[in-house]
Amino acid sequence: GEDVEQSLFLSVREGDSSVINCTYTDSSSTYLYWYKQEPGAGLQLLTYIFSNMDMKQDQRLTVLLNKKDKHLSLRIADTQTGDSAIYFCAEKEGNNRLAFGKGNQVVVIP
Amino acid sequence: DSGVTQTPKHLITATGQRVTLRCSPRSGDLSVYWYQQSLDQGLQFLIQYYNGEERAKGNILERFSAQQFPDLHSELNLSSLELGDSALYFCASSVGAGGTPGVSYNEQFFGPGTRLTVL
Repeated sequence: GEDVEQSLFLSVREGDSSVINCTYTDSSSTYLYWYKQEPGAGLQLLTYIFSNMDMKQDQRLTVLLNKKDKHLSLRIADTQTGDSAIYFCAEKEGNNRLAFGKGNQVVVIP
Repeated sequence: DSGVTQTPKHLITATGQRVTLRCSPRSGDLSVYWYQQSLDQGLQFLIQYYNGEERAKGNILERFSAQQFPDLHSELNLSSLELGDSALYFCASSVGAGGTPGVSYNEQFFGPGTRLTVL
């Protein structure tokens, strides 16, 4: 399957911005996603970007896509304690299955 | 609450045993997916069913099998369990199976997972 890579851990102060990065390998992916996993919970779709877009803004979330470098990032503005979670990027493969990165744990310090 | 339910929440068993994990999709969703989340492998796609039929297979071991019933709930059967099978198993559901474009139609909603511990 396709390989999606993420860095592992990010610590950020409440009110600052967080940026999480991800690289993917399948240049034919049509959709790229960001999921959030809180402790003891399943994954929640946060936002997505279509492959023909460079940027998407959704309230405090900004997704940037660099197709040439196969690089995806998620910026969370004004990070809150409720943003503490593990964030996964994912790309859509055939038949709607998702290939996930290893996840990036974000810890927000009050 | 995503509307996807999974039972049991926790399962502790011994090596060599067989277990069944159950998933009920959101009302109206026809597609069910199973994923395994472990520390060393991360989140991996196992298998997908759509309206009762197997649609796609991922890194699913031969010791594992699944099915989707006429009422659309799904079961994942894990047999001859090994220590390395200890993981969080997620089920997700979506309306479509990816053939029709549209994020909302194909968005996957995840259940809370079943944590399997093999001792």
